[in-house]
Amino acid sequence: DTGVSQDPRHKITKRGQNVTFRCDPISEHNRLYWYRQTLGQGPEFLTYFQNEAQLEKSRLLSDRFSAERPKGSFSTLEIQRTEQGDSAMYLCASSPNVAKNIQYFGAGTRLSVL
Amino acid sequence: RKEVEQDPGPFNVPEGATVAFNCTYSNSASQSFFWYRQDCRKEPKLLMSVYSSGNEDGRFTAQLNRASQYISLLIRDSKLSDSATYLCVVNPPGNDYKLSFGAGTTVTVRA
Repeated sequence: DTGVSQDPRHKITKRGQNVTFRCDPISEHNRLYWYRQTLGQGPEFLTYFQNEAQLEKSRLLSDRFSAERPKGSFSTLEIQRTEQGDSAMYLCASSPNVAKNIQYFGAGTRLSVL
Repeated sequence: RKEVEQDPGPFNVPEGATVAFNCTYSNSASQSFFWYRQDCRKEPKLLMSVYSSGNEDGRFTAQLNRASQYISLLIRDSKLSDSATYLCVVNPPGNDYKLSFGAGTTVTVRA
């Protein structure tokens, strides 16, 4: 499978715990994105990497959230001190560095904070 | 005002029917437009890009009206497999990476 892969697919955690998600983009794509989606809403942009550089962070990304892409390949999204409001689907997408911004999404990590 | 607004539906149509719906976007300088399809509890998948001249892909036709700032999607000869949520997506001006999604329009095709 050469698509975007995310791990884990589901994560249940208790409030206050830290969680980390991983995203492996399509191999030739140098752009990587994280989105969050809650029920009944479209995905909301969280952050964007071009290669290893994090070029934009949404105001939705509080200081409890951190994302990395250390070698310009896979990325991790960490949430510290999780809150119930963090419960959502976290989607990763990637795209090639071309003018037409077509993004390909992974299956997502569904986070439930109890 | 939200960047992208859609009628949530649901649109319930019989097989073979035609269904059409719109979305509106707030920033007149937006450059790129897309329709993505999302099945229940799955990831969004690109259905089609939307070009200024309008474009067609099989049973699907997309139109862009820049003057009124709306995008439409028309599905002809609906199939059961067309049942999904259709997300209107806009690339705001000033960057070529961030996508703004509408909340989606749900279409259910019944036998």
